[in-house]
Amino acid sequence: NAGVMQNPRHLVRRRGQEARLRCSPMKGHSHVYWYRQLPEEGLKFMVYLQKENIIDESGMPKERFSAEFPKEGPSILRIQQVVRGDSAAYFCASSPRVAGREQYFGPGTRLTVT
Amino acid sequence: DAKTTQPPSMDCAEGRAANLPCNHSTISGNEYVYWYRQIHSQGPQYIIHGLKNNETNEMASLIITEDRKSSTLILPHATLRDTAVYYCIVRVEGETSGSRLTFGEGTQLTVNP
Repeated sequence: NAGVMQNPRHLVRRRGQEARLRCSPMKGHSHVYWYRQLPEEGLKFMVYLQKENIIDESGMPKERFSAEFPKEGPSILRIQQVVRGDSAAYFCASSPRVAGREQYFGPGTRLTVT
Repeated sequence: DAKTTQPPSMDCAEGRAANLPCNHSTISGNEYVYWYRQIHSQGPQYIIHGLKNNETNEMASLIITEDRKSSTLILPHATLRDTAVYYCIVRVEGETSGSRLTFGEGTQLTVNP
């Protein structure tokens, strides 16, 4: 039973480029969460999505960041015009139920902006 | 969500029980206590959760005080692979706002050989 998959595991972007991070939830899970961990800081919630719906995006920066979870395919976290401050580890989690009790995390994508 | 307080670090000898405390004195009646851990640079891992009764699974035991103002996560026989940051989180279930996990500073547990 495959766990949460994230790719790429490492991503290097120059300032001003776009970053696209992908998350495939566990089989049967229709709820996806994105978290960000800045260097030497704790994990911060960004957004919660169900298939084709954004449920809670209260943790998303107001500009340049967007997320989607289409009917088919992985969830995508998109960061436009990246800046050095976006360098972080981005973790995706999934759960099978609404406000699921356990969230299962992927290995993360480490974004480095040069 | 209620705020939690954990010691920043703890040490434990390999093979001994690790007891990690958490204070959540402002917890509400409908808030659960969750424990996650993050082994260096990996994604967080769910360990256990409970409401008011003590809980046990293959990984750990969770002891919640009768007044629910504090809890203890017990790793019965700690191994070197249990070295990680352990997070105690309280959250409401069944609501959109309860979907997120709010991670604090956690406790860095170091298991020594």
